[in-house]
Formats: sequence, structure tokens, C-alpha cells
Amino acid sequence: SAVISQKPSRDICQRGTSLTIQCQVDSQVTMMFWYRQQPGQSLTLIATANQGSEATYESGFVIDKFPISRPNLTFSTLTVSNMSPEDSSIYLCSGGPVDEQFFGPGTRLTVL
Amino acid sequence: GENVEQHPSTLSVQEGDSAVIKCTYSDSASNYFPWYKQELGKRPQLIIDIRSNVGEKKDQRIAVTLNKTAKHFSLHITETQPEDSAVYFCAASTSDSWGKFQFGAGTQVVVTP
Repeated sequence: SAVISQKPSRDICQRGTSLTIQCQVDSQVTMMFWYRQQPGQSLTLIATANQGSEATYESGFVIDKFPISRPNLTFSTLTVSNMSPEDSSIYLCSGGPVDEQFFGPGTRLTVL
Repeated sequence: GENVEQHPSTLSVQEGDSAVIKCTYSDSASNYFPWYKQELGKRPQLIIDIRSNVGEKKDQRIAVTLNKTAKHFSLHITETQPEDSAVYFCAASTSDSWGKFQFGAGTQVVVTP
């Protein structure tokens, strides 16, 4: 299994600003993903973080709003840009060798 | 794309009884089906998974069954305990989208002593 940490664990931000969330895995993993989870809801995939190339975004999510970096096999960042209250949510990263995926603890974002 | 439906949305059981959660999927190419348990305020934790070349898998009190023909899979928890109370999510992925999951809506399981 992989142990995944995220920073920050929570933040309160003003609308119009940006927040970068970091995801660190304790071992090299092939696949990393970013999800969003509204309170009481299921997980929605935002994008696949590809090592050394541009992220692959799901329908409804765009690079300008959610730029993602993945400089190596253990680390990725997600930026939530030009935030609005609708971006308030929990953001989680996942990582794993192939199909098995382990989740970070999440970043709880509140946008005022 | 893949669509995963999960039922029921809530499940209340007496301690010691069994709990069953069912999921259906739409993409016949899906071949990996994990189950996650998420306690309030915590991260989803992988509790069991099954691949399409297997019909059933057990791990202590937890078992998962898969019916590829009907495109559904189920989580079975026996001898439930209060610590089994959580939200359970099923998910599905295909071999050309490793690790990329479509999640079900989740089942809130409440085990009462």
C-alpha cells in the first residue's frame, strides 16, 4: 500500500484567490488522481495527474481552473484558481501502483 | 462512459446481523471493482477489491461477489459491529483507465448495538 499526505489539511480563502494543494506519496506510484468530494456526497474525478506531461481532465473540469503538476512519481499539486464559493469542497488525491488506489486525507476548502 | 449505481443509500442493521450493498455498472470493459469505507471526516480506505476474473473474494467478515453477465457486484459484511458504521463506496475502472474510478453514490451504514 501507499501512504499519502496532503497539505494543507484545510483552508479558508477569499473569492478570486488561488490555492495550491500538495500531495505526497511515500513511494513511487504509477497513477495519481485528484478528486473532489462535496460534504455528504460521492467522489468526483477531476483529473489524472500524468508524470512528465499535461494532466488529463474529466468533463466539466479545465486546466485553467484546476492546473495540476506532477514533477515526479511521488508528488503532485492541484491549484484551485480564481476561487468562488462554489469551489468550497474537499479535495483528495489518490495514488497507487496500477489499479489499487489509496487516498490522501483530503483538503477541506472553504471560499468566502 | 462508465456509470455506477449503488443501493441502498442508507442501511440500518442490528449488531451481529449481516449487511449487503449492491452496485451495478454499465461498461462491460470494467474489470476492477474496489470498495472503500469512509468514516466521518476521514479519508476513503480500501477494504476489499475484486477483479473480473474472480467471482468472489473474502477477507474475514467482508466478502465481495461479482456477476459479470449481469454487471453487478455486491459487498457483504457479516456479524456487523458498531465500528462498521461508515459510508461505503463502490467503484469501477477499466484496464485502459487504471486507477481511474467511477464511484457509486455511497451507502451510509449504521450498526446499532
